[in-house]
Amino acid sequence: EVQLVQSGAEVKKPGESLKISCKASGYKFTTHWIAWVRQMPGKGPEYMGIIHPSDSDTKYNPSFQGQVAISADKSVNTAYLQWSSLSASDTATYYCARRGAEHQAFDTWGQGTLVTVSS
Amino acid sequence: EIVLTQSPDTLSLSPGERATLSCRASQRISSIYLAWYQQKPGQAPRLLFYGASSRAPGIPDRFSGSGSGTDFTLTISRLEPEDFAVYYCKQSDISPRTFGQGTKVEMK
Repeated sequence: EVQLVQSGAEVKKPGESLKISCKASGYKFTTHWIAWVRQMPGKGPEYMGIIHPSDSDTKYNPSFQGQVAISADKSVNTAYLQWSSLSASDTATYYCARRGAEHQAFDTWGQGTLVTVSS
Repeated sequence: EIVLTQSPDTLSLSPGERATLSCRASQRISSIYLAWYQQKPGQAPRLLFYGASSRAPGIPDRFSGSGSGTDFTLTISRLEPEDFAVYYCKQSDISPRTFGQGTKVEMK
């Protein structure tokens, strides 16, 4: 069974750093792009960026470029989303999602990681 | 950036009724890059359709997708209780990928 399992909820203070993870199983990790999607409370999803785990080729939504870093470690089948300095506006649920091999849609999603940033 | 506008924002219907959801793009997109997702409270989105009309595995045939150019439609022929949720369209034709704001299908 294809699965993406994300790390648990985080509560952080403004200015702190954070790295959340998305572990893939049930398929060959290096054959599919992995995307990150933000969903702020009560709002729709927003595409943040995407990475190909085979060579770590990464493409960012300009709205998120420089605000986050996306990476992947193919030795442990895991993708990451990282912040160097969080702000309250980063409070949201973050999803990783696998892009289909033969289409551009996101066919498998992680369960989401709730990130709360509050002083 | 392509803006996807979904209508209506909320659809109040009863089980057994037909639901028609619209997604309009701010410029023409290739239908092969239009997807629909369903999201229930506290859950991740679930892929319903890719390529505008290709049903994802496990999606019941009461769901159908259609459209081209700038106008796309998701239809649920007879609503089941488990279909009450929020539905999003998404385009992957022109970077960055964008989602619509969603249509909530609620029980009347």
